[in-house]
Amino acid sequence: GENVEQHPSTLSVQEGDSAVIKCTYSDSASNYFPWYKQELGKGPQLIIDIRSNVGEKKDQRIAVTLNKTAKHFSLHITETQPEDSAVYFCAANLLYSSASKIIFGSGTRLSIRP
Amino acid sequence: DAGVTQSPTHLIKTRGQQVTLRCSPKSGHDTVSWYQQALGQGPQFIFQYYEEEERQRGNFPDRFSGHQFPNYSSELNVNALLLGDSALYLCASSLRGPFSGNTIYFGEGSWLTVV
Repeated sequence: GENVEQHPSTLSVQEGDSAVIKCTYSDSASNYFPWYKQELGKGPQLIIDIRSNVGEKKDQRIAVTLNKTAKHFSLHITETQPEDSAVYFCAANLLYSSASKIIFGSGTRLSIRP
Repeated sequence: DAGVTQSPTHLIKTRGQQVTLRCSPKSGHDTVSWYQQALGQGPQFIFQYYEEEERQRGNFPDRFSGHQFPNYSSELNVNALLLGDSALYLCASSLRGPFSGNTIYFGEGSWLTVV
């Protein structure tokens, strides 16, 4: 089936600590896994993505890991800051003969405690 | 470089009415996808347009239809509005949509309230 599961649904961490969000996907053919940050009243903003030919990707305080065998991927935010507070969505692509689409997890509301 | 732009940003409609939402893709992009995001949920795929054709469709009724113009902009039309259609409608653009692994970028969305 077409499914991306995401957990936890809410996460509260102390400023400066790390946050980890985990996702699993169902379609073994998926090969593209973006992460989006959505602030209140705004559209999702791409923060990092990874393709299936790599296992890990970093961009400053953000990193994503991918385990294709287990069909799960994770977002790691280090040295969290107040501006990291938002809802984060993982996503995976589904491939068809003439198109592809992105399906999303249900989101994680991240709160950074001062 | 303009990102994905959507209009209107907010609108209120009455049950049974029809609505048209508009999207201009990011400069250089030729593929537009539409998503519906209900409050507290992740975006749900409605459909994707590439080369002015609907290429893929999600689990949405025929009341939801769309169009892509030669300049790659797109419209989403919803007929016979229901209260449950109240949501944030997001447009996303990418390059060469039918090909996998291309980054997609979202607009800020159109907030639709049906009363």
